[in-house]
Amino acid sequence: KQEVTQIPAALSVPEGENLVLNCSFTDSAIYNLQWFRQDPGKGLTSLLLIQSSQREQTSGRLNASLDKSSGRSTLYIAASQPGDSATYLCAPIRGGTYKYIFGTGTRLKVLA
Amino acid sequence: DAGITQSPRYKITETGRQVTLMCHQTWSHSYMFWYRQDLGHGLRLIYYSAAADITDKGEVSDGYVVSRSKTENFPLTLESATRSQTSVYFCASMSDPRAQAFFGQGTRLTVV
Repeated sequence: KQEVTQIPAALSVPEGENLVLNCSFTDSAIYNLQWFRQDPGKGLTSLLLIQSSQREQTSGRLNASLDKSSGRSTLYIAASQPGDSATYLCAPIRGGTYKYIFGTGTRLKVLA
Repeated sequence: DAGITQSPRYKITETGRQVTLMCHQTWSHSYMFWYRQDLGHGLRLIYYSAAADITDKGEVSDGYVVSRSKTENFPLTLESATRSQTSVYFCASMSDPRAQAFFGQGTRLTVV
C-alpha cells in the first residue's frame, strides 16, 4: 500500500527565501507525481505534474524534481512571496492504476 | 462555465438521512474521483470511476454509494449519514492517468 509522507508538516519563512518541500513515497512503481496547492477553504490546484520518465519540471518560480528509485520528490519555491502561503500536497499515482494517493501536506506561511 | 463544479457547497443534515453530493465536469474527462478531507487524515479516496458505468471502491467507501450513468456526472450518496461522515468532500476529474487532475471547490458536509 502506497504511503506518502511530507516533511515538514508546517513551515514559516520570511518573504524572499528559497525553500524546499519534501515528499517521500513507499512504492516507487509510480506513473507520475503531481504537486498541488490548496488555499484555506478552497479546492486543490495542480501546480506541476512530473511523469515517471522525467527528472524535473519547472513552472515559473516552482521546480519539482522526482527520484523514483529513492521514492522522493521535492518542490523548490524560489524567492517566496506572501501569496505563496498555502498548503502544498504531493500525490503519486501508481502504475497500472489511476488513483492518486495524497500526503498530508506542508502548510506554508510566508511572512511579509 | 467550463470546469468541475460541486453542489451544494455547504450542507447540514441529520444522522440517518440520505444525502447526495453532486459533481459535474464539462470536459468529458473519463476519470472521476471522490475524496474526503479530514484533519489528521489528509485526502482519502472514497470512490473512483474510469468511465461511465465503471466505478470502484477506494480506501474509505463504507457507507457511500456512487453512480455514473453519464460521463460528466458523478454523484456521491451517503445512504444513512453518520456523524463520522462530517467532512469536506472533493470531486476530481482527469482525462488520462498521465494528465493533470482537476478538483472541484469542495462540499462541506456536517452531520448532526
